[in-house]
Amino acid sequence: QQQVKQSPQSLIVQKGGIPIINCAYENTAFDYFPWYQQFPGKGPALLIAIRPDVSEKKEGRFTISFNKSAKQFSLHIMDSQPGDSATYFCAASTGNQFYFGTGTSLTVIP
Amino acid sequence: EAQVTQNPRYLITVTGKKLTVTCSQNMNHEYMSWYRQDPGLGLRQIYYSMNVEVTDKGDVPEGYKVSRKEKRNFPLILESPSPNQTSLYFCASSHTRGRLESQPQHFGDGTRLSIL
Repeated sequence: QQQVKQSPQSLIVQKGGIPIINCAYENTAFDYFPWYQQFPGKGPALLIAIRPDVSEKKEGRFTISFNKSAKQFSLHIMDSQPGDSATYFCAASTGNQFYFGTGTSLTVIP
Repeated sequence: EAQVTQNPRYLITVTGKKLTVTCSQNMNHEYMSWYRQDPGLGLRQIYYSMNVEVTDKGDVPEGYKVSRKEKRNFPLILESPSPNQTSLYFCASSHTRGRLESQPQHFGDGTRLSIL
């Protein structure tokens, strides 16, 4: 059973567009929600993270929106660039464990 | 250079032949973890270790073993590999439990295992 549900599976946007990736969870014990970026042939790398007491967090062009009551969170990429083309994973953590979404393959067309 | 090193990067083997994937980190991290990545399933945590001699099961531990005899090393052992363990495996390490943005999990570049 997938603890964190992620959509869409793939996304294609034009340069400058704002791709949005959505995730949902059920376990209210989760208290840390990171997003990872993965390029082909590489391991995931932390992009940005949020905790449930905050509704929004921005770091550069990346923004997480968090809706605790709906148990949903999303990643927005402002002014997307071809270099942002990668696979993005949301995750949720409680205690010592991590649960990842199924991933979104993002392509930004020049 | 701070890094997590996995070996081998690629391996093709046969059912039942014991194999070990090594993982080593040079950052003096306490927390280490193994994940498998499969299409349509994302990453799933296999085992993790809070420190030397302390290991615990993740979400999908069946068919795997780990050990943590030294702080820098966290090998993944498949005693009797089966085709359903064909996957891309990642080792990760961090200070604390990888739950601080200032101290995130660092991932290796992966090991692709094919079990025939």
